[in-house]
Amino acid sequence: DAGVIQSPRHEVTEMGQEVTLRCKPISGHDYLFWYRQTMMRGLELLIYFNNNVPIDDSGMPEDRFSAKMPNASFSTLKIQPSEPRDSAVYFCASSPDRVRGANVLTFGAGSRLTVL
Amino acid sequence: AQSVSQHNHHVILSEAASLELGCNYSYGGTVNLFWYVQYPGQHLQLLLKYFSGDPLVKGIKGFEAEFIKSKFSFNLRKPSVQWSDTAEYFCAVTLSGGSYIPTFGRGTSLIVHP
Repeated sequence: DAGVIQSPRHEVTEMGQEVTLRCKPISGHDYLFWYRQTMMRGLELLIYFNNNVPIDDSGMPEDRFSAKMPNASFSTLKIQPSEPRDSAVYFCASSPDRVRGANVLTFGAGSRLTVL
Repeated sequence: AQSVSQHNHHVILSEAASLELGCNYSYGGTVNLFWYVQYPGQHLQLLLKYFSGDPLVKGIKGFEAEFIKSKFSFNLRKPSVQWSDTAEYFCAVTLSGGSYIPTFGRGTSLIVHP
């Protein structure tokens, strides 16, 4: 298995532009997570899906952020319009149905976003 | 809500030194505990996990962690670090009977000088 695949790996954009980050989870994994990592706030959970359905989006910072999972093999995280404070590394992770009552996550390589 | 505290934000060691990174959580119920590692420029990877049984858990690359329920702790240890252990280390907790979604600590940056 190729693991969790994210694209793009790096994105540099200007304030106000739309940004779309993409994720392909591991085949057969029922859960998909989007995390944001910054120096100031560490690793924050933005949203997670179970069987393509968004379960908890309370971590999404504001309405400028949206996430979708149209099918079991693809998810997007969109920021519109982007702002400099959105600069961070965005990680996608997936996990199979709970292993002994816990989610063991496999992370993607991350998308490093820089908003100028 | 549960929280995870990693008290050491930055640790600098010389090779062959012993390592202990602290992790404490705030929840009195049954927990599952994890350590993830993020090497420079890479994604997070699972280092070790505890679900039940022997509270001393062995992981990859000579790492181990001990679950002490009375102290709500899950400290990570390695008797002799190597330069290649330079990385960021994250402790995470999930709650049995809860959402099973891991809560991560802020991370500890470890730098090992050769």
